Amino acid sequence: AQSVTQLDSQVPVFEEAPVELRCNYSSSVSVYLFWYVQYPNQGLQLLLKYLSGSTLVESINGFEAEFNKSQTSFHLRKPSVHISDTAEYFCAVSETGGGNKLTFGTGTQLKVEL
Amino acid sequence: KAGVTQTPRYLIKTRGQQVTLSCSPISGHRSVSWYQQTPGQGLQFLFEYFSETQRNKGNFPGRFSGRQFSNSRSEMNVSTLELGDSALYLCASSPQGSTFTTYEQYFGPGTRLTVT
Repeated sequence: AQSVTQLDSQVPVFEEAPVELRCNYSSSVSVYLFWYVQYPNQGLQLLLKYLSGSTLVESINGFEAEFNKSQTSFHLRKPSVHISDTAEYFCAVSETGGGNKLTFGTGTQLKVEL
Repeated sequence: KAGVTQTPRYLIKTRGQQVTLSCSPISGHRSVSWYQQTPGQGLQFLFEYFSETQRNKGNFPGRFSGRQFSNSRSEMNVSTLELGDSALYLCASSPQGSTFTTYEQYFGPGTRLTVT
């Protein structure tokens, strides 16, 4: 069975500063990796995904994540955050051949301050 | 395309009652999954349906059940409600083909269930 660890439950950061949200996973088989964002009282929005190909994936709003198989990590980064990035971020994994069953981390609350 | 819709958005029920939640996937999506989100347990997978068949199931008791209709719309049912069933129930749809491979999932806004 797979598992996901997000060590940081909360990350405070000032606006325009860089941020990294950490995600590590454990699985006995190959995996696909995802980052989702949740704003208050809303559902989850897909931020970016790694299914295959380049290990560096980017989103349209400036976030990027790099799949590191040797370190079993998929950390999320943004070089300069904005107030509107304040939200909860979830890392998720699914096993290849396992269909759409996602296993989520516990989430990281990103709080961007002025 | 319209996104995933879930009804109702909010629901209050009493212990022992049953409840049915509805999910309409994005047009053309044939896979629908359900998740439970609570402060204590986080996001947990309930089950996945594809072409009216359940093909993946999480570790939840039999009180939690679901079904999918020929138009891909899905319902989940919780019988004999307990206080611990209070949660945000999220539905997600995926543009999955007939092979059992993973695609990205798109989530609805959720149904907030409160059990008193």
